[in-house]
Amino acid sequence: EIVMTQSPATLSVSPGERATLFCRASQGVGSNLAWYQHKPGQAPRLLIYGASTRATGIPARFSGSGSGTEFTLTISSLQSEDFAVYCCQQYNNWVYSFGQGTKLEIK
Amino acid sequence: QLQLQESGPGLVKPSETLSLTCTVSGASIRSNDYYWAWIRQPPGQGLEWIGNIYFSGTTYYNPSLKSRVTISVDTSNNQFSLKLTSVTAADTAVYYCARVAAAGDVVVPVVFDFWGQGSLVTVSS
Repeated sequence: EIVMTQSPATLSVSPGERATLFCRASQGVGSNLAWYQHKPGQAPRLLIYGASTRATGIPARFSGSGSGTEFTLTISSLQSEDFAVYCCQQYNNWVYSFGQGTKLEIK
Repeated sequence: QLQLQESGPGLVKPSETLSLTCTVSGASIRSNDYYWAWIRQPPGQGLEWIGNIYFSGTTYYNPSLKSRVTISVDTSNNQFSLKLTSVTAADTAVYYCARVAAAGDVVVPVVFDFWGQGSLVTVSS
């Protein structure tokens, strides 16, 4: 099983600032990585796939980068609706696995 | 607008079978382009993929749960279902159903592009 590790566990950022979230894979996954946004009581939302491609309808302030074992999700100019939990998912191995999540909170 | 809705008991006794159904509306489950999945999140933990099903009935399970899991599809009612046998407290979680879609150069469905809101199932006597 590929283990996905996210950091930090919690990130406090002020609205309007930039947030950078990290995801590390225990072995290389190429660019086969997705990011999701999850708010309490709501359905998770696909943000990024292929490490850097935004899903349909996702604003340009969300960007992803990385390959192999190190990945980054950047949210430029945070909006109030962006405060949520973000998790990464690898799909290089057919046994999909997710990170534990980073909680992005208002500073 | 595609919607997925989980339904089933919120409380299951230890050693019994957990059963959930996902009703898909706004799209046909009989699509060549998508799989359908179950994913769970235990309290305070990350998401865990349980398994996928294609409308033909072909299934793919997480090896860690394979011995206890059955996912089935009912195309006439546009639903798919999860059964998890011999449950313990460790199976307490929010259970999500989701649609699985292709992602860029990966032509087989691998990312979860639509999700239900989740159903909390507690295992307790």
